[in-house]
Amino acid sequence: GAVVSQHPSWVICKSGTSVKIECRSLDFQATTMFWYRQFPKQSLMLMATSNEGSKATYEQGVEKDKFLINHASLTLSTLTVTSAHPEDSSFYICSASGAYGSYEQYFGPGTRLTVT
Amino acid sequence: GDSVTQMEGPVTLSEEAFLTINCTYTATGYPSLFWYVQYPGEGLQLLLKATKADDKGSNKGFEATYRKETTSFHLEKGSVQVSDSAVYFCALSPNNQGGKLIFGQGTELSVKP
Repeated sequence: GAVVSQHPSWVICKSGTSVKIECRSLDFQATTMFWYRQFPKQSLMLMATSNEGSKATYEQGVEKDKFLINHASLTLSTLTVTSAHPEDSSFYICSASGAYGSYEQYFGPGTRLTVT
Repeated sequence: GDSVTQMEGPVTLSEEAFLTINCTYTATGYPSLFWYVQYPGEGLQLLLKATKADDKGSNKGFEATYRKETTSFHLEKGSVQVSDSAVYFCALSPNNQGGKLIFGQGTELSVKP
């Protein structure tokens, strides 16, 4: 149980375009979803936390107008990278908590974004 | 602010060797502590956790003890296998922050036959 999926697993887009990444909890209702960014050989950096039906809370230094997060239902959150630039190329990982009434986070497999 | 520091990798060991990956933390209050593992091409998986001082988390032969006096949560395994090759992340969750996780930089482990 407690499976989280992400789609797509990888995406290539042109500079200036927007790209949407989906995160789904497949077998539980996720009260909270988290979005992370992971650079090669580096740690996961928390970008934002979202609760279903509420605006996301962004970490310091993360541009909320560039990284739009929507948590419209208890099983789906989306991250839209707007007007993407090559420096946005990264590995984006989501996680979800709320399974079994606990705070434990279950992680998706990640999405590799390459902006050309 | 709260932070996690873990030993740099990569760590290369022979099969059946003893493993220690050091992790220290800085936090106010009493955080929960975690080790996550990321196998090649897969998402992070919780390996073990400890929620209070002196707790020992264990799973799949791995162990870590929450040491408040030394603010440490070192990961150990007595005999590693090739299948343990992965990146290991130490993390903490501050009290009363809705499960937010702060990660260390990760340590890559490579086990050779």
